[in-house]
Amino acid sequence: DSGVTQTPKHLITATGQRVTLRCSPRSGDLSVYWYQQSLDQGLQFLIQYYNGEERAKGNILERFSAQQFPDLHSELNLSSLELGDSALYFCASSKTGGEMGTEAFFGQGTRLTVV
Amino acid sequence: AQSVAQPEDQVNVAEGNPLTVKCTYSVSGNPYLFWYVQYPNRGLQFLLKYITGDNLVKGSYGFEAEFNKSQTSFHLKKPSALVSDSALYFCAVRGGYNFNKFYFGSGTKLNVKP
Repeated sequence: DSGVTQTPKHLITATGQRVTLRCSPRSGDLSVYWYQQSLDQGLQFLIQYYNGEERAKGNILERFSAQQFPDLHSELNLSSLELGDSALYFCASSKTGGEMGTEAFFGQGTRLTVV
Repeated sequence: AQSVAQPEDQVNVAEGNPLTVKCTYSVSGNPYLFWYVQYPNRGLQFLLKYITGDNLVKGSYGFEAEFNKSQTSFHLKKPSALVSDSALYFCAVRGGYNFNKFYFGSGTKLNVKP
């Protein structure tokens, strides 16, 4: 158990809908990362937050947004869902923002299926 | 821009034989390099990292990796493979102008046959 908690584990929804994925980082970790893992595109970096502020952005679609709250948990919001958004979404956390070469610890993921 | 490449989609090795999973990187400045392992329907687990110092880094489950700056490589190795090592392995890099970005390779599936 990495200490990173993601809910829900599974989510099935229809095209055009909006969903929210939740992540609780390890105790003491200030940084949260979101990744999308699909069969044909590997592990894609979406976005990173550090202590409530956005620090880095990857290949995140405009239909997707995220935030980190004062208690350090994070939410990834996916809207106007398309079939191609079906994937495994991972959250990871680390103590720092990366300057010290800190490793990140991953949650179990949320499997999103858009039908 | 930083990136990491894993040139082999799959590596097959017999149990007891040494294994190597390859990784090359591209980053400005000094990189921070990582290896992770993913078992089916699980999250990624941290194996080891290179920050600075000795080019040979030892990690969990008997794995080690060698940093080679001139070849911009960070290959994962194990002297004697186990069937239980069969999994998906990811190389990752931090570095360049933004250490916050944490990029992963496409993954290499390791199959260890009895």
